[in-house]
Amino acid sequence: QKEVEQNSGPLSVPEGAIASLNCTYSDRGSQSFFWYRQYSGKSPELIMFIYSNGDKEDGRFTAQLNKASQYVSLLIRDSQPSDSATYLCALRRVNTGFQKLVFGTGTRLLVSP
Amino acid sequence: DAGVTQSPTHLIKTRGQQVTLRCSPKSGHDTVSWYQQALGQGPQFIFQYYEEEERQRGNFPDRFSGHQFPNYSSELNVNALLLGDSALYLCASSRGTGYEQYFGPGTRLTVT
Repeated sequence: QKEVEQNSGPLSVPEGAIASLNCTYSDRGSQSFFWYRQYSGKSPELIMFIYSNGDKEDGRFTAQLNKASQYVSLLIRDSQPSDSATYLCALRRVNTGFQKLVFGTGTRLLVSP
Repeated sequence: DAGVTQSPTHLIKTRGQQVTLRCSPKSGHDTVSWYQQALGQGPQFIFQYYEEEERQRGNFPDRFSGHQFPNYSSELNVNALLLGDSALYLCASSRGTGYEQYFGPGTRLTVT
């Protein structure tokens, strides 16, 4: 079982719709969760992070974390064609005080005009 | 506010050669992590440097080594290059080892 699992997609949504991106993880010791957006040929860009159970909102983005179910999601409201990218879910585990990010393979989102 | 910078942007090497990639962290950041991203995959953690020491290492062979300088910039060295080392190499910086990581633009390495 992979540490972080994401559906590779593509997830296709029309402009203006809500895009829902999901991520599950296997290690209950995971503490922090991150969503990165990566355009084709570019590097990942941090868009959201969440540490506590529940929802965290930032503009059109909402991250949701459920540690009991080992599930984290990203909602994008009013999706725009410019949101078309690969969305990477990452977690951070504590290991002797120094922490690395473990990434999923990403979900490709396509927003059609 | 300068972000994370990496050089070079692209690099083509031959099998068996050695390569050095460079990274300057975002202003105010003191920790540098290196990742390898193969096509269609998520980034894979190589190692992390803090206070000029390697603090944590992923599942990469000793051919991969690094260094951090007093100004917090860092180098990634790869010896005896293999075709499978072809990837996007990403540097990420953070303020301390426990904070959010921000990526540089990456170095695209092609090994022929």
